[in-house]
Amino acid sequence: GQNIDQPTEMTATEGAIVQINCTYQTSGFNGLFWYQQHAGEAPTFLSYNVLDGLEEKGRFSSFLSRSKGYSYLLLKELQMKDSASYLCACMDSNYQLIWGAGTKLIIKP
Amino acid sequence: TAGITQAPTSQILAAGRSMTLRCTQDMRHNAMYWYRQDLGLGLRLIHYSNTAGTTGKGEVPDGYSVSRANTDDFPLTLASAVPSQTSVYFCASSEEGHGELFFGEGSRLTVL
Repeated sequence: GQNIDQPTEMTATEGAIVQINCTYQTSGFNGLFWYQQHAGEAPTFLSYNVLDGLEEKGRFSSFLSRSKGYSYLLLKELQMKDSASYLCACMDSNYQLIWGAGTKLIIKP
Repeated sequence: TAGITQAPTSQILAAGRSMTLRCTQDMRHNAMYWYRQDLGLGLRLIHYSNTAGTTGKGEVPDGYSVSRANTDDFPLTLASAVPSQTSVYFCASSEEGHGELFFGEGSRLTVL
């Protein structure tokens, strides 16, 4: 079956760094996506990885290892506004997104 | 830019009644999707459409129907609502085959 696993909740301190892990098992692979979702709002696209390695975009970076079925989202210089859920999603061989349940990130001052 | 517009934003519905959630996009995206989001679960795909005139079933299609008469509109209909359909519903669109989805603001539906 197809499965995406990520931690349910994480807590970090303002100004620090946090890494949110995601492991996946899907039928085929056409990319790994990270989305941010603030409470009560819609998800918004953050990043996309299809090749192994690190993609950096400002304070956010995303890493992919296809051989390990593993990705992480790295958030640096955490700000209170980064408090949100972070959704990992994998695109399968039919170009459909399979979604993880999301990781709720709590930022403390 | 409007992007994707959903209506209504919230609704309380008696079990057995029918309901249509509306979704309109102005980005000329070929692909559109309906998801439901429930606490502790990932987004689950209900139905999708890769282009106007075609639709497909997602992971949880039972009790729901969709139509795609044109590029912009993708309504979701619940023919006879049941309490298990209480959820937040998100409409989304994308370039066909691309995983960068643009979401509407969501419709919170409560079935009593």
